[in-house]
Amino acid sequence: GIQVEQSPPDLILQEGANSTLRCNFSDSVNNLQWFHQNPWGQLINLFYIPSGTKQNGRLSATTVATERYSLLYISSSQTTDSGVYFCAVINQAGTALIFGKGTTLSVSS
Amino acid sequence: GAVVSQHPSRVICKSGTSVKIECRSLDFQATTMFWYRQFPKQSLMLMATSNEGSKATYEQGVEKDKFLINHASLTLSTLTVTSAHPEDSSFYICSAAPWDTFGSGTRLTVV
Repeated sequence: GIQVEQSPPDLILQEGANSTLRCNFSDSVNNLQWFHQNPWGQLINLFYIPSGTKQNGRLSATTVATERYSLLYISSSQTTDSGVYFCAVINQAGTALIFGKGTTLSVSS
Repeated sequence: GAVVSQHPSRVICKSGTSVKIECRSLDFQATTMFWYRQFPKQSLMLMATSNEGSKATYEQGVEKDKFLINHASLTLSTLTVTSAHPEDSSFYICSAAPWDTFGSGTRLTVV
């Protein structure tokens, strides 16, 4: 099946710093999403981005489908950005999401 | 926007008892819902796909007799953990197609 790898596994930042999270996937995909899981477990969809670049406030994402990777950029990080960031792609059957292991981000003031 | 409500958010039960978790789509109809399990500091692993009016499809390694899934209406899917044991303690999360709306999760602790 499709493999999804994320890096780095952990990231510690000072408030105001910028960061880049990476997601590599092993096969062509039609769907790639980035999620943020807050410390209480709630998953929030950040981007649906099978290709190209999108921006939403301080967050932006770029997927280069031909090279099988996606990047999530966080600028001017805030303590509320802390949590786990997951990349997920649709499985080959097209029925459900396969998640990477996530990047745990800790932003301190 | 689409909202998925999951209850309870936290449950503690004794070993050997059964626990039911509900997942509701509040403002849309969900013919398909998904159940995931997440162990501490790990990723979400798909357990099963729940289809309204038909049997659920379980992922390899997931015991269908232990994790009973019922999707009796277009807005409700339930997961029942039967004869729970401490190793079933985990965070269970549901989602509804088209995959970008998740419930808030249920933290199950079996003592």
